[in-house]
Amino acid sequence: GAGVSQSPRYKVAKRGQDVALRCDPISGHVSLFWYQQALGQGPEFLTYFQNEAQLDKSGLPSDRFFAERPEGSVSTLKIQRTQQEDSAVYLCASIPTTGPVGEQYFGPGTRLTVT
Amino acid sequence: DQQVKQNSPSLSVQEGRISILNCDYTNSMFDYFLWYKKYPAEGPTFLISISSIKDKNEDGRFTVFLNKSAKHLSLHIVPSQPGDSAVYFCAAPIIGDDKIIFGKGTRLHILP
Repeated sequence: GAGVSQSPRYKVAKRGQDVALRCDPISGHVSLFWYQQALGQGPEFLTYFQNEAQLDKSGLPSDRFFAERPEGSVSTLKIQRTQQEDSAVYLCASIPTTGPVGEQYFGPGTRLTVT
Repeated sequence: DQQVKQNSPSLSVQEGRISILNCDYTNSMFDYFLWYKKYPAEGPTFLISISSIKDKNEDGRFTVFLNKSAKHLSLHIVPSQPGDSAVYFCAAPIIGDDKIIFGKGTRLHILP
């Protein structure tokens, strides 16, 4: 079946613009994660959903970052008033209902460049 | 403070030889460890894991070794193939939490 998809794949935003990044997890996957990967770094946890409930948002770097998953499937990560330090690849991952949390299925990511 | 450390940013290995990628950790609250592989413009893909109650796990050409006393794990790939050229991330979930902590990754180049 289809894997995790993300759109857009690339986004260039001027500083101060708002952006919205979309994630379509694997159908039926209950849990969804967002990560931020800066250049030369590993992915860093941002937030976690179980169905539509956002159970952990401790990794969101500021209140400019907001994520939602209103129907428990597609998720959107929104960044308001983008700053240059927001430039990174944003990865989405999902896991099925059962299974180790560590074995996640990742999408290809959205590369955000803030100019 | 990095809880999962990969101190080698890159590694070059001749095709057919053994590739050894290393990872150190500082948090004793990890009860299993994972390796992910990432090609350019793709997301990471799960490769192999090891429970903290084991010291070795093997899957085909890939073997992961865990030394708990040293808080060190390594991924061995033998024989190395051109398709193994990628970035490899060491990672660990925190017990009772939903987060995975990733290392910075090691870029492996397999030379013809």
